[in-house]
Amino acid sequence: NAGVTQTPKFRILKIGQSMTLQCTQDMNHNYMYWYRQDPGMGLKLIYYSVGAGITDKGEVPNGYNVSRSTTEDFPLRLELAAPSQTSVYFCASSTRDRGGGGELFFGEGSRLTVL
Amino acid sequence: AQSVSQHNHHVILSEAASLELGCNYSYGGTVNLFWYVQYPGQHLQLLLKYFSGDPLVKGIKGFEAEFIKSKFSFNLRKPSVQWSDTAEYFCAVNYGGATNKLIFGTGTLLAVQP
Repeated sequence: NAGVTQTPKFRILKIGQSMTLQCTQDMNHNYMYWYRQDPGMGLKLIYYSVGAGITDKGEVPNGYNVSRSTTEDFPLRLELAAPSQTSVYFCASSTRDRGGGGELFFGEGSRLTVL
Repeated sequence: AQSVSQHNHHVILSEAASLELGCNYSYGGTVNLFWYVQYPGQHLQLLLKYFSGDPLVKGIKGFEAEFIKSKFSFNLRKPSVQWSDTAEYFCAVNYGGATNKLIFGTGTLLAVQP
């Protein structure tokens, strides 16, 4: 099982450029998430989706957009990249556990540098 | 606001020392609790989780955690650490609701010296 797959793993952008981080999962999970990880700050939720066609903002959505046209895919778009978006980005998916809140399964991360 | 606090930012231990990492959360209702580990250059992996039942939870690689509801705490423990436990450890809380979101602590960087 591939689990959660993210591409690219590394990318360098110039200020003002745009790009899309791809995320796909093969576990048929309804819930998908994008987090960013910065040193000493933990993980901050950017956007999430509870199912195909439904997305919502997390804690730090500014400068990003998402779409969820299928259950499997949840791409994250960066418009007009800024140095503050230099970070490691993690995509995750989950399903409801019978106890209520399921664990998240993470992709391997995408390291983005904006210069 | 819902939040998760990890009080130890950096911990340095020698091999065979005991480990305890603190985690406190801010909400008093029903929560689901998690500890994740991130080895250098890798993604987050689940160590253990608590949903209900026995408040002492055992996870992989000899880790355990105790849920103390009265203290809003979910501390991670290991009796004897190994060099291979060098990693960053994250506590996370699911406060419930339809979104199934996890709120993460800021992480604790553990370095184990051989």
